[in-house]
Amino acid sequence: QKEVEQDPGPLSVPEGAIVSLNCTYSNSAFQYFMWYRQYSRKGPELLMYTYSSGNKEDGRFTAQVDKSSKYISLFIRDSQPSDSATYLCAMIPPSGGGADGLTFGKGTHLIIQP
Amino acid sequence: DAGVIQSPRHEVTEMGQEVTLRCKPISGHNSLFWYRQTMMRGLELLIYFNNNVPIDDSGMPEDRFSAKMPNASFSTLKIQPSEPRDSAVYFCASSVQGVLAKNIQYFGAGTRLSVL
Repeated sequence: QKEVEQDPGPLSVPEGAIVSLNCTYSNSAFQYFMWYRQYSRKGPELLMYTYSSGNKEDGRFTAQVDKSSKYISLFIRDSQPSDSATYLCAMIPPSGGGADGLTFGKGTHLIIQP
Repeated sequence: DAGVIQSPRHEVTEMGQEVTLRCKPISGHNSLFWYRQTMMRGLELLIYFNNNVPIDDSGMPEDRFSAKMPNASFSTLKIQPSEPRDSAVYFCASSVQGVLAKNIQYFGAGTRLSVL
């Protein structure tokens, strides 16, 4: 079993719909959770960053973490064609002070139909 | 801010040749990461440096891969000899240590490597 599981999609929804993207993980040591967005032929860019269980909202985006279930979600409200991209979840255990590498899901390819 | 700069953007080479990928991290960042992305395996961490020192190279697939960071503004990832299965997109990322900025990594645009 991979440490982080993510449905690769593609997930196709009409413009304006609410999108739900999810990841499950097996390593209970993971404490920091991120969502990256990657457009075609570009590098990943950080979208959301959370530490604790619960919800974090930023504009149309909401990140949700449930550590008891080892499950994280990203919700996109009022989805736009410009949201079409691959969304990667990433996570990391707490470190001793230095930075550590991220463990990524394989990414979900999202298509928003105009 | 110019962001993380990688070169070349594309590299096509023949099996057996040496390949060198380059990365310039964001100024002031003291952690640097090399990742590889393929359809089959997704994004995988190869190696990372803190303050120019390699910390964890357990993701480097074989001895054919090596990475260096001679100073805070430059890193290389070398593959010698290259093989077709090394074909992938290689990303460099950097971050800055600190409580609030912890673990926020900024990625370059990647180098798309094709080994024929």
